Amino acid sequence: GENVEQHPSTLSVQEGDSAVIKCTYSDSASNYFPWYKQELGKRPQLIIDIRSNVGEKKDQRIAVTLNKTAKHFSLHITETQPEDSAVYFCAACQTGANNLFFGTGTRLTVIP
Amino acid sequence: DSGVTQTPKHLITATGQRVTLRCSPRSGDLSVYWYQQSLDQGLQFLIQYYNGEERAKGNILERFSAQQFPDLHSELNLSSLELGDSALYFCASSPTHPDSEAFFGQGTRLTVV
Repeated sequence: GENVEQHPSTLSVQEGDSAVIKCTYSDSASNYFPWYKQELGKRPQLIIDIRSNVGEKKDQRIAVTLNKTAKHFSLHITETQPEDSAVYFCAACQTGANNLFFGTGTRLTVIP
Repeated sequence: DSGVTQTPKHLITATGQRVTLRCSPRSGDLSVYWYQQSLDQGLQFLIQYYNGEERAKGNILERFSAQQFPDLHSELNLSSLELGDSALYFCASSPTHPDSEAFFGQGTRLTVV
């Protein structure tokens, strides 16, 4: 089945700096790549997603890039704020298996 | 509020016991997923149902089982509970096949003592 690897597992940045989280996937048939944010004690929530027919997508301070050839995608957060502190999960959708495969998560800490 | 309802929110039980976790998906969503999240761990996929049928299975223990009923709500049954089963169990739903957003419930925190 699909295997999603996510790095780094923890990331600390100064407020105002950028943060980048990277994921790789194994199944070339995967075509949907969402990113979820999970604040402490809360449920994961979708923050941005990208489909395989698009190379980049932006939403204010958040952007996601996809390299289908290399089978990796990344989350970029610019001008980080303390409220960005959370665990971020990437995921890949394996067409036919009807499931979202999640990465292991990145704990982002934004230092004021 | 995601529209996905999980009950109960908290559950404390003894080893060897059996519990049932319940999930009501968003109105109209046909897919239901169950995930296990242990302390400071990632989301481990357990099982997925689509319109009443099992569609995908992850690392779900034989002591665990699930089903989706005609009204699309789902139940996750955990039996012969062990201390290591203590975790946050999330249910998520999505409208069709999962190349669309999955909405998570608030989770059921299970503590086995």
